[in-house]
Order: sequence, then C-alpha cells, then structure tokens
Amino acid sequence: QVTLKESGPALVKPTQTLTLTCTFSGFSLTTTGMRVSWIRQPPGKALEWLARIDWDDDKLYSTSLKTRLTLSKDTSNNQVVLTMTDMDPVDTATYYCARMGYDLYFDFWGRGTLVTVSS
Amino acid sequence: QSALTQPASVSGSPGQSITISCTGTSSDVGGYNYVSWYQQHPGKAPKFMIYDVSKRPSGVSNRFSGSKSGNTASLTISGLQADDEADYYCSSYTSSNTLVFGGGTKLTVL
Repeated sequence: QVTLKESGPALVKPTQTLTLTCTFSGFSLTTTGMRVSWIRQPPGKALEWLARIDWDDDKLYSTSLKTRLTLSKDTSNNQVVLTMTDMDPVDTATYYCARMGYDLYFDFWGRGTLVTVSS
Repeated sequence: QSALTQPASVSGSPGQSITISCTGTSSDVGGYNYVSWYQQHPGKAPKFMIYDVSKRPSGVSNRFSGSKSGNTASLTISGLQADDEADYYCSSYTSSNTLVFGGGTKLTVL
C-alpha cells in the first residue's frame, strides 16, 4: 500500500534553512504520471500548497515562496527532499508531503511534521 | 495566487444535506476540471474525497458528491452523519501550473 512519512527538525531558528525529507513506499517516482507535493498548514489555519516534483524531474513552486524553496528526489531511496531558506516564525506549520496522480489531486498524505520557528 | 474562497462554516442536522462552495476564477476553478476536495478531522492529515470535480475515489461514501458551475465548485454531503463533522478544503490546478487550496470550511453537525 502507499505510505508517505515526513521527517526533519521540529525546531529551527529564524534565518536558518529547513530541510525536510519525504520517504515513501508503494509507488515509484520513476513511473510516468507520479508526482509528490509538499503542503503546509499553520496552526489553526488553512492548507497551503508549496511545491511539486514530477516523475520526469519537473519541479513547480508556489509563486509566493519560489525564491526560498528547492526540491530534489532520490528515486533509489524513494525520497523527496524540500529545503526552505530564511525561515521565519510565520513559517511555523505542520508540513505534509502527498502523492499526486496525473490528474493533479493529492490521493495519499503523510501524517505531517510540525516545524516551529523560534529563537 | 490567492486562495479559493470557501465559507468559514456551515452546519446541518443529522440526515440533512449541506453544500460547501469553492469560488475561484477562470484561471483556476473555472478553467480546468482539476478540482478536488479533502476532509480533515482535528489533528489528522487531510483525506482525499473528490477529484476531477465530481469523481469519487474508491472507498468514499456516495453521500459525498461534487459539481462545478462557472468559477464555483461545490461539495454536497447528503444524509449528514456525526463523523462528517470536520474541516473541508477544495483545491484547484491553476493557469500558472501551480495548485491552490481554499480557505477551508468547518462543518458542524448539530
């Protein structure tokens, strides 16, 4: 079955760079049509799409955050890595990774990882 | 990219039907049939409920249905049950080749 799991630091300081890893199983990012996205949700607030990486290594980023985000994938280890630079307290959120199909919906989600930005 | 507009809250009694709207523009909801809906219970990850405007994934109750008219998509839940009480989010593909979520709607089952 398809599973995804996010990992990374629970606490980062302002101005630091955040690195999150999504480790998945049950599918391959070498399969045509497969994609993985990152989504975040500040406490008590709405979901916000951040970025997406596709089977062909195409990468798309949120317009408002693209200067701070970088995606990469390690297909041999079934992992997708998101880095976000210059972290700020407003970036405090639960960060989710999710699988996407060809039709651009998020069909499987990880449980999320809470990242707090504080000095 | 601005978030899609959803009502902050809706409510209904058990057995009733409710509809949650999701309003965007011709650059997102109105321009593509890539609208999806997600249910999120407190402290849990979102659950995939509807895709391609009106299609239900395997395992999702047929009490959940989706539709679209112009720039507004809608999620209808019929035969409300206590467990339907949750937050609901819509999502759409956009002309900028990005994705956008709605602001979320809290459903209360009275």
